[in-house]
Amino acid sequence: RKEVEQDPGPFNVPEGATVAFNCTYSNSASQSFFWYRQDCRKEPKLLMSVYSSGNEDGRFTAQLNRASQYISLLIRDSKLSDSATYLCVVNPPGTYKYIFGTGTRLKVLA
Amino acid sequence: EPEVTQTPSHQVTQMGQEVILRCVPISNHLYFYWYRQILGQKVEFLVSFYNNEISEKSEIFDDQFSVERPDGSNFTLKIRSTKLEDSAMYFCASREVSDTQYFGPGTRLTVL
Repeated sequence: RKEVEQDPGPFNVPEGATVAFNCTYSNSASQSFFWYRQDCRKEPKLLMSVYSSGNEDGRFTAQLNRASQYISLLIRDSKLSDSATYLCVVNPPGTYKYIFGTGTRLKVLA
Repeated sequence: EPEVTQTPSHQVTQMGQEVILRCVPISNHLYFYWYRQILGQKVEFLVSFYNNEISEKSEIFDDQFSVERPDGSNFTLKIRSTKLEDSAMYFCASREVSDTQYFGPGTRLTVL
């Protein structure tokens, strides 16, 4: 099993739609999880950290499911500007490194 | 808002040459990182640096690579004897005690 795994997509959705991505991780003891957004040929930008209790920021909601070892990102009322690649990032326990998934590409269509 | 900066934005070099990529992390941050992203592939961890020493490195970070924090602000990645497969985007990142990292805009390295 890969350390961090994401469906690469692309997810093509109309404006206003709700879309959800999942990301699975292999190390059950991992504690720190993040969603980053990456636009083409740009640096990753933090979207949100994922806490055990979940996290919501406007139209974005992140959840952690420890039993099944995945995190999710829900985007409501999609905007054209949400088109990007969404990166799942995990910091395994006892390490300084951060493991990135391959990213899920989202295209929001007018 | 403070940000991580990187120079140059694009570096072109000949195979076998040495390159130094430079980063200025956010000033109160304590942990520094280098990542690379080959075109079309995922972001890969190279090395982390804390308290003036390497705290962790990946299997990619072999003897060809080195990092340095020569003064209180710069953080550099040196790649000796570059190979074609070193062509990639190199990102620097930094964080304070919290585990949230902030990335610089990257240096695109092209090895010819």
